[in-house]
Amino acid sequence: AQSVTQLGSHVSVSEGALVLLRCNYSSSVPPYLFWYVQYPNQGLQLLLKYTTGATLVKGINGFEAEFKKSETSFHLTKPSAHMSDAAEYFCAVSDRDSGGSNYKLTFGKGTLLTVNP
Amino acid sequence: NAGVMQNPRHLVRRRGQEARLRCSPVKGHSHVYWYRQLPEEGLKFMVYLQKENIIDESGMPKERFSAEFPKEGPSILRIQQVVRGDSAAYFCASSPRQGYYGYTFGSGTRLTVV
Repeated sequence: AQSVTQLGSHVSVSEGALVLLRCNYSSSVPPYLFWYVQYPNQGLQLLLKYTTGATLVKGINGFEAEFKKSETSFHLTKPSAHMSDAAEYFCAVSDRDSGGSNYKLTFGKGTLLTVNP
Repeated sequence: NAGVMQNPRHLVRRRGQEARLRCSPVKGHSHVYWYRQLPEEGLKFMVYLQKENIIDESGMPKERFSAEFPKEGPSILRIQQVVRGDSAAYFCASSPRQGYYGYTFGSGTRLTVV
């Protein structure tokens, strides 16, 4: 079974500082990879995804993530944090096999990002 | 364009009552997925439905939980005889086809069992 580890349940940064949220997966075959953001009392919004092609993926709101197969990682970054980035961020994976359960997302436990003025 | 609509947003039930959670997918989407988020946990897959069919219910508890997606109307997640451990946020997502990667979720129903 796949698993997703998000290192750090809570990350705090200053406004304008670099944001780095870590995600590692355990799968012998690289899965599809996703980052979602959840604002308080709202649903999850897709930030970005990696399925194939370029390993550096750009998403919405200035976020990007890089798939590193050798490190089984898909860390999320943003050069300069904004107050509006304060939210919970979830990393998720799904099977690459089109004949299998590729619709099923496995989520990490989430990282709560706090942005200080 | 309306996204995935879930109602109610908040639901309070006493132990032993039934809870019915509704999910209206994006217009034209025929694939629906339900996930549950327990406190301080990530979302966990519960069930995948297409119109009138349950495709994968491997994440559903064996008892008290059921789901349907009728030909007409919203998808329903039904929890009978709720217990305190059912308190969670339940999210629904939809897609136009299987293998559509990165579907977006509705705002969820937060169930509180008292």
